[in-house]
Amino acid sequence: DTAVSQTPKYLVTQMGNDKSIKCEQNLGHDTMYWYKQDSKKFLKIMFSYNNKELIINETVPNRFSPKSPDKAHLNLHINSLELGDSAVYFCASSQYIGSYEQYFGPGTRLTVT
Amino acid sequence: GNSVTQMEGPVTLSEEAFLTINCTYTATGYPSLFWYVQYPGEGLQLLLKATKADDKGSNKGFEATYRKETTSFHLEKGSVQVSDSAVYFCALSDKGGNNRKLIWGLGTSLAVNP
Repeated sequence: DTAVSQTPKYLVTQMGNDKSIKCEQNLGHDTMYWYKQDSKKFLKIMFSYNNKELIINETVPNRFSPKSPDKAHLNLHINSLELGDSAVYFCASSQYIGSYEQYFGPGTRLTVT
Repeated sequence: GNSVTQMEGPVTLSEEAFLTINCTYTATGYPSLFWYVQYPGEGLQLLLKATKADDKGSNKGFEATYRKETTSFHLEKGSVQVSDSAVYFCALSDKGGNNRKLIWGLGTSLAVNP
C-alpha cells in the first residue's frame, strides 16, 4: 500500500509547455505539501493545503498553480515551463496542520529542455 | 527568522565507523527538532525527532539529543553500514502564525564504503 503516491515519476518536456503532476495520499491526513528539490538537494516548500484550503504559498512564480479537489489529492500545474523549473518535486502529507511529521511521495523528476 | 545550519558534506566513512552530523539552529520559542533521511531515488522519511530540551530521539541505531544550551541537535550512530548511505536533513518546526512549516537544513550527503 503506497501512502503518498505521485504521477508521473519522470517528466521530460520542452520550454514553454504546460504540465501537471498529481499527488494522492491514502493516510487520511488533513494537510498536504509541495516541495521543490534542486540538483544540490536543497529543499524548498512551495505550497501547503489543509482540508483543501491553501495555507502556505511561498514566493513561487504564479506559473505554478496548485489545486486540491479533496483532502486526499493535491495537484500541481505548471504553465510556460522554463529551464529553471527542472528539479524533483515532492508531495508530502501530515496528519494535521500542526504536525511536523511529514510523509513524502517518491518524487517527480521534471526535466525541461 | 528561524534557521538550521548543517555541516557540509559529503561525508565519506568506512563501514562500522562512528558517524556525527552536526546540526545547529536559531529559533525563537521552543521548536521541535527533526532528522529526515533521503535514500537514493526516494522521498524523505522521518528518522527521529525531539520535542523539548534534553529529549533524545532514536531510531535504527541513530540518536540525537535536543541541546538548548548549545542550540544543537547532532545526529550520531555508533557503527554505520553501507545501507546508511543517504542524504540527511535536519529540520525544525516553525510555528509562527498560520504558516506551520518545517525549516530545513541544506542536507548532508553520507557515503559509507564497505
